[in-house]
Amino acid sequence: GNSVTQMEGPVTLSEEAFLTINCTYTATGYPSLFWYVQYPGEGLQLLLKATKADDKGSNKGFEATYRKETTSFHLEKGSVQVSDSAVYFCALTLSNSGYALNFGKGTSLLVTP
Amino acid sequence: EAGVAQSPRYKIIEKRQSVAFWCNPISGHATLYWYQQILGQGPKLLIQFQNNGVVDDSQLPKDRFSAERLKGVDSTLKIQPAKLEDSAVYLCASTLGGGDYGYTFGSGTRLTVV
Repeated sequence: GNSVTQMEGPVTLSEEAFLTINCTYTATGYPSLFWYVQYPGEGLQLLLKATKADDKGSNKGFEATYRKETTSFHLEKGSVQVSDSAVYFCALTLSNSGYALNFGKGTSLLVTP
Repeated sequence: EAGVAQSPRYKIIEKRQSVAFWCNPISGHATLYWYQQILGQGPKLLIQFQNNGVVDDSQLPKDRFSAERLKGVDSTLKIQPAKLEDSAVYLCASTLGGGDYGYTFGSGTRLTVV
């Protein structure tokens, strides 16, 4: 079946450190890939997306590149801030599943001053 | 534009009781999803509607969960009877459908079963 695997958290970084959160997927077909973020006490928000291989999604300093050859969509940020502390979810959709979002388990990020 | 509205925000019930959640999607959004998010996990799809028809309910525990979307707008999700393991946040999301990626999530209903 279709699934997303994320690195286990929690991830703890100092402010201005480099962030990578790994995400790999298994899918029958050609999925679109997403990163969602959930800040404490808030709802899910789209962070970025990529709809085809080699696309790079970017937003708020975060980037992720759709790598078909490694079935990956790793999230990166060059310099994290305390305000980036949140839970990050990788997700995919496929047309043959009605475009429903299929989420990973989430990775908690804590950035300390 | 107004977001996806959900109510109630919180609910505490005893096991074996029943509970219902309500969702009002963004106007014009044909596709509506209900997700269950257990603490520490990612959201899991329970049911997907396209207008007022069910697209996918394969992960809905149909012996106790039911959902409807009358007139293709508002939707309700019901649990009867509730179990302890149903404690979770129930999220509603909507989108135009047909490959549109503008998913909008509601704030969710946090259910605690005691």
